[in-house]
Amino acid sequence: EPEVTQTPSHQVTQMGQEVILRCVPISNHLYFYWYRQILGQKVEFLVSFYNNEISEKSEIFDDQFSVERPDGSNFTLKIRSTKLEDSAMYFCAGDRGADTQYFGPGTRLTVL
Amino acid sequence: QKEVEQNSGPLSVPEGAIASLNCTYSDRVSQSFFWYRQYSGKSPELIMSIYSNGDKEDGRFTAQLNKASQYVSLLIRDSQPSDSATYLCAVNKVEAAGNKLTFGGGTRVLVKP
Repeated sequence: EPEVTQTPSHQVTQMGQEVILRCVPISNHLYFYWYRQILGQKVEFLVSFYNNEISEKSEIFDDQFSVERPDGSNFTLKIRSTKLEDSAMYFCAGDRGADTQYFGPGTRLTVL
Repeated sequence: QKEVEQNSGPLSVPEGAIASLNCTYSDRVSQSFFWYRQYSGKSPELIMSIYSNGDKEDGRFTAQLNKASQYVSLLIRDSQPSDSATYLCAVNKVEAAGNKLTFGGGTRVLVKP
């Protein structure tokens, strides 16, 4: 059964550094998403991506964040200048539209 | 008002008993409803989806939806220690922009042998 994969599983970075989180969605999915979960808090929507452009973003997704799908398979989330409060689990997800969303295993981002 | 509300728990149930979890949502135009299970440090794993009023059963799990009351619930029958996890309720509105999920804070379930 196909699965969403994410790399790295854990990323440690210094405040102010750029990080890129990578995801390989399931091949027949059309919509792609990033969510984050700060430790002990709820899962929060960041951004949705469809047809090679952002279709919706939350207030969290400010100018420090960007997404792209550079090669038709990978889906990346970039944080340009990390802050301490960006420390969280970041989940990639996908679906075919109007159906179940499947989540990747997540990347734990630790900003020091 | 929170968009999706759940009792945080923990909900402690003896092995073999029924665990009953509740979720309320504020947006009346929500169309799809999901229960995810999340083990500590892991990603959400889909258990059930429900789209219309009534009950939906899948193995030991039954989801119930009442759109008039803006309420969705999950019953876990014959609870096992492996069911100990946090259960996340999620709702969405299907739009052209996609399928953004709004999650509740989750209910922690502890199944005691």
